[in-house]
Amino acid sequence: AQTVTQSQPEMSVQEAETVTLSCTYDTSESDYYLFWYKQPPSRQMILVIRQEAYKQQNATENRFSVNFQKAAKSFSLKISDSQLGDAAMYFCAYRSHLIIQGAQKLVFGQGTRLTINP
Amino acid sequence: GAVVSQHPSWVICKSGTSVKIECRSLDFQATTMFWYRQFPKQSLMLMATSNEGSKATYEQGVEKDKFLINHASLTLSTLTVTSAHPEDSSFYICSARASLFDIRLKPNTGELFFGEGSRLTVL
Repeated sequence: AQTVTQSQPEMSVQEAETVTLSCTYDTSESDYYLFWYKQPPSRQMILVIRQEAYKQQNATENRFSVNFQKAAKSFSLKISDSQLGDAAMYFCAYRSHLIIQGAQKLVFGQGTRLTINP
Repeated sequence: GAVVSQHPSWVICKSGTSVKIECRSLDFQATTMFWYRQFPKQSLMLMATSNEGSKATYEQGVEKDKFLINHASLTLSTLTVTSAHPEDSSFYICSARASLFDIRLKPNTGELFFGEGSRLTVL
């Protein structure tokens, strides 16, 4: 079974600075998807960024980028120019590439609470 | 974008009663829906996977008779917490996966879309 580990329960950063959230995972599959989700106080899950394992290029979405190290099974999220609205819980998640029943579920890490200091 | 709506967003009930939570995909067909449970300051734990027209697949440790899941149509899945007790109080979140053949979603990457969540408080 796949597992996702986020070793940083809490992180804080000054507004406008850059912060990196860590995530490692374990899988025996060679093809899969990795995601970062944001959960603000409203608790609505918001997709921040996704990465297909077969792509070597790291995904980027505006101020958000990832450092995907497949061999190391590491998938960190970098937030540049942090804004107050970035404050939230961030979850790293894994999903199999298989389309068979049951394989499409997301496996979440424990989450990292990010605080932005003004 | 794809929208998943959950109702109710917050429900309070007495111990021993049953509560039904609905999860609807508003603008796409959801062949698969997932129900998660989230305790305060914790991660999302998958409870079950439901596929339209078939029985739900429950994760280990989840009581299928306690948490009844029905996915009767391509746009609706329901979670019924039967004989609720205070320990069932939690935040329940559904997510839906679109059919890869649904052309209304462009691009359609089979991504999962989340509902707003439902907070259940059992007194």
